[in-house]
Amino acid sequence: KQEVTQIPAALSVPEGENLVLNCSFTDSAIYNLQWFRQDPGKGLTSLLLIQSSQREQTSGRLNASLDKSSGRSTLYIAASQPGDSATYLCAVTLVTGGFKTIFGAGTRLFVKA
Amino acid sequence: KAGVTQTPRYLIKTRGQQVTLSCSPISGHRSVSWYQQTPGQGLQFLFEYFSETQRNKGNFPGRFSGRQFSNSRSEMNVSTLELGDSALYLCASSPGGREDGPQHFGDGTRLSIL
Repeated sequence: KQEVTQIPAALSVPEGENLVLNCSFTDSAIYNLQWFRQDPGKGLTSLLLIQSSQREQTSGRLNASLDKSSGRSTLYIAASQPGDSATYLCAVTLVTGGFKTIFGAGTRLFVKA
Repeated sequence: KAGVTQTPRYLIKTRGQQVTLSCSPISGHRSVSWYQQTPGQGLQFLFEYFSETQRNKGNFPGRFSGRQFSNSRSEMNVSTLELGDSALYLCASSPGGREDGPQHFGDGTRLSIL
């Protein structure tokens, strides 16, 4: 059974700091891994998608890596800003007939001005 | 391109009633997935539809059901509502083919059971 764990559960950093969010999963037979951002009371915004054959993806100040063999992914945020404050969720998608996505519990990030 | 649209945004029901939630995916997307989000359990997968067929389902009781129409719009139905069904229900769409793309989420329907 696939389980997704995110560490830390919460993080508070000063503005301008670089930071790393961690995601681990128990079964390496994934189809893809996606990082999302969720603001309070809102839906999820897709940040980065890494296909199982890829090692990393970059978008602006965000970089996500994937190591299937160790069951780990990291989301690197450079030069953090107060607007980055949100909950960040990691999700792995499996192919079992159709698609099935399992989410981690998220990391709540607070960036202090 | 319009995003994923979920209606209604908010809903209040009482125990024992039933409810239907609607999701309109991004144009051209054929896969629609539903999730339940609660503070205690986080985001949990309900089911996925593709071309009007349920391809996958999570571990929820039979009170939770869904369907997808020929235009890819999807509905989710919950019967005999319980207090524990209070949650944010999220819908996501993706192309759904062999080379699937990222899932795009709607803003959700917040369901409160009194």
